[in-house]
Parts: sequence; structure tokens; C-alpha cells
Amino acid sequence: AQSVTQLGSHVSVSEGALVLLRCNYSSSVPPYLFWYVQYPNQGLQLLLKYTSAATLVKGINGFEAEFKKSETSFHLTKPSAHMSDAAEYFCAVSDLEAAGNKLTFGGGTRVLVKP
Amino acid sequence: DGGITQSPKYLFRKEGQNVTLSCEQNLNHDAMYWYRQDPGQGLRLIYYSQIVNDFQKGDIAEGYSVSREKKESFPLTVTSAQKNPTAFYLCASRQSAVYSNQPQHFGDGTRLSIL
Repeated sequence: AQSVTQLGSHVSVSEGALVLLRCNYSSSVPPYLFWYVQYPNQGLQLLLKYTSAATLVKGINGFEAEFKKSETSFHLTKPSAHMSDAAEYFCAVSDLEAAGNKLTFGGGTRVLVKP
Repeated sequence: DGGITQSPKYLFRKEGQNVTLSCEQNLNHDAMYWYRQDPGQGLRLIYYSQIVNDFQKGDIAEGYSVSREKKESFPLTVTSAQKNPTAFYLCASRQSAVYSNQPQHFGDGTRLSIL
């Protein structure tokens, strides 16, 4: 079965600083990968997805992620943090080897933005 | 606008009671999913359905039941057999049950608490 590891359950950044959220997956076959954002008491909103086209993927709100097959990683970045980026972020992978095309989620990373 | 509607937003259950969480989508999506979210544990799949009148157990189905009588509706019942039901429940849908490069779309969740 697939697994997804997000390094760091909490990340604190200063407003205007780089945001870097790490995601590593386990798969023998390049999977489809997604980043979602969740604001308090809300559902998940899609930030971006990798579906085997360009390895550098641009998403909403200034976020982007780079797929690196050799490192089995899909880290999320934003050059300059804004207060509105404070939320929880989830990396997910489509489990191509399981029935139902299910998503496997990482444990999430909560981002705190300091003024 | 199309989307997923979950109701109620907050739900309280007494010991020994069954409760049903509603999930309705007007996106004309084939596949629907129920997740449970606990702090620090990411999302865990409870049940999913790829087509009307068919559904499959996810990773933590014990103590839960579902039905899929209509394409747009996928209610989740939390039974008295679920010993620790306090959690945030998220419903999601995906356009196709076949193409795993498609993202899932999420509702805003229902928070269930035990009285």
C-alpha cells in the first residue's frame, strides 16, 4: 500500500518568508499527487496536482510544487508567506495499486504565520 | 454553483444512539467518499462508492454504514457500535471512479460530538 510522509506536523514562518512543506511518498510507479489546504472547520481545497505532465506544478494562491522522482518527493513552496496562508496542508497520493483509485493522505502540516 | 453539501455542520449524539450524516453533491460525480479526521492523524477513509447501489469498505469501516441509492447522495450512519465517534467527518466526490488523476472535491464537514 502507498504511504505519504509529511515532515513536520507544525511549521512556523514569518510573513514574507519562504514557505516550504515537505512531502515524500512510497511508490514503485510514479503516482498522481495532490496538495490540499484546510482552513479551520472547513473542508479541503485543492491547491495543485501532479499528473505526469510538467514536474513543476503551479497552483492557486502563489503555491507551487516540484515532483522529483529520484527523491520520491513532492514538496510545496511559496516564495513569500501571507497571513492568510495560516492553515493545515495535506499531501495526498492516488493509490494506483488499490481498488477504487483511493487517495492516501499524509498526516498534515499546520502552518503558523508570524507578523 | 456546484458543490458538496454536508449537514448538519455540528451534531451531538447520546451514548447508544445512531446518527446519520448527510452528503449531497450536484457535480454529477460518479464516485463519493467518507473520511474521518482526528487531530494529528490526517484523513482516514471510512467508505467509498464508485456507482449507485454499490459501495466498499475503507480502512476504518467498523461501526459505520452507508447507502448510495441516488447518484447525488451518500449518507453515513454512525452506529452505536462505533465506540469513539467524536471526530470531524468529511465527504468528498470525484468525477470518475476510473481516472485516478482527477482530484477529489470536499464538503465543509460535520463535527460529531458525544454528549
